Amino acid sequence: DIQLTQSPSFLSASVGDRVTITCRASQGISNYLAWYQQRPGKAPELLIYGASTLHVGVPSRFSGSGSGTEFTLTISALQPEDFATYYCQQLNSFPRTFGQGTKVEFK
Amino acid sequence: QVQLVQSGAEVKKPGASLKVSCNPSGYTFTDYWIHWIRQAPGQGLEWLGWIDPKSGDTFYAQKFQGWVTMTRDTSISSTSLELRNLKSGDTAVYYCARGVVTPGVTGSRRLDYWGQGTPVTVSS
Repeated sequence: DIQLTQSPSFLSASVGDRVTITCRASQGISNYLAWYQQRPGKAPELLIYGASTLHVGVPSRFSGSGSGTEFTLTISALQPEDFATYYCQQLNSFPRTFGQGTKVEFK
Repeated sequence: QVQLVQSGAEVKKPGASLKVSCNPSGYTFTDYWIHWIRQAPGQGLEWLGWIDPKSGDTFYAQKFQGWVTMTRDTSISSTSLELRNLKSGDTAVYYCARGVVTPGVTGSRRLDYWGQGTPVTVSS
C-alpha cells in the first residue's frame, strides 16, 4: 500500500496568514493526488484534484502543486472558514489511501 | 444538484451485522462508481472499497475482504454497504462518495461529492 505522510499534523495560524501543508507519498503517484477539507462534524469536501486543479466553486486562495512523491497545498490568505482539517488522498493505485490529516487551528 | 443521502445512525452489539444505504441523486446513477470511506472517532479517513453501479463489480481493501459487502439496486438507484461480525473497533462514521474521472486528463480521479455520513456505534 502507498503511505501518505502529511506535515505538519497541527498548525496554528491567524486570519490572513499564508499556510502550506505538505503530503509525501511512499512511492511515485504521478499527479494522482487530491486534497479535501473537513470541518468539525461534516463530511470531507473536495478542494483540489490532479495535484493542482481546483474543484468547481473552490476559492482561488487555495492552490496545489507537486508531482511524483511530494505535494503541497497552499492557502494564500487564511479566512475564518478555513480553520478545518485537511487530508490528501492518492488515487494512483488501490487501496486509495489518505494522509493522516493536518488540523489548522486558530492561533 | 448532485446529492448523496445516507441512512441514519445505527447502534449495534458486537457480532451483529449492519447495512448502510447511500442514495445518489442529481445525475445518472450508473455513470459513476461509489466509494465507501470510514472515520473512527477523532481519527483520519480510511478507504474501504468501491462499487460500479452499472456492472455491480466491486473492489475491497484487503483489510475488509470477507466481512464487507457492497451492493447496488439500479431499480431504486441505491447502493449499500454491509458489515458483518461487528467489533467495537468498527465504531465510526461511514461515508459514501462519488468517484469521478475526466476522460483523457491524467490524474483527474477524485471523490467529488460525499454523503453526509452515517454514525455507527458498536457497543455491548
